Amino acid sequence: GAVVSQHPSRVICKSGTSVKIECRSLDFQATTMFWYRQFPKKSLMLMATSNEGSKATYEQGVEKDKFLINHASLTLSTLTVTSAHPEDSSFYICSARDMDREHGYGYTFGSGTRLTVV
Amino acid sequence: DAKTTQPPSMDCAEGRAANLPCNHSTISGNEYVYWYRQIHSQGPQYIIHGLKNNETNEMASLIITEDRKSSTLILPHATLRDTAVYYCIVRPNSGNTPLVFGKGTRLSVIA
Repeated sequence: GAVVSQHPSRVICKSGTSVKIECRSLDFQATTMFWYRQFPKKSLMLMATSNEGSKATYEQGVEKDKFLINHASLTLSTLTVTSAHPEDSSFYICSARDMDREHGYGYTFGSGTRLTVV
Repeated sequence: DAKTTQPPSMDCAEGRAANLPCNHSTISGNEYVYWYRQIHSQGPQYIIHGLKNNETNEMASLIITEDRKSSTLILPHATLRDTAVYYCIVRPNSGNTPLVFGKGTRLSVIA
């Protein structure tokens, strides 16, 4: 089945530094990927839609200059949290859609990245 | 915004069937009902989806009411490993529409 690899699984960084999270579709091509964040005991909140070869589309309230998204190939999207602050600490999850599967089961999720900013 | 309503939590005895309800009274004709679950600190996992007919796979069964305004996910023999948050999502059947998650139901399977 479709597999999405997300790295790193955990990262601790200092305030003011930047952190890059990678999301790879291992056995399928994904022209579209989605990034979510999740706070403890809360649901997943969509941050942005990542489109291969074009600019990402951000949800209302998500700062595009703070959460940089690059989708340079059909199998890789990256999310960079710039100038991280403690309030950016969260669980970040990516999702990729297998274009060969029309319906929702074509959405495969990565295992998530636990970011802690100290 | 999520278009579904689910109870915040449920308990189920191990080995018994877990029946998780979901209300989606504003579902459109072209929208499917999807179920995902999220085990603690992992990414969501696809379970099942359907349009109007009942569906069954190796993981679960999905029962959709005739008016499509509600559905029930059935885990026939719940195990401790089924403890997770279960999300019911409605989504159009085409395009790149992302999955929008509601609050889900936290299912606790008890030994």
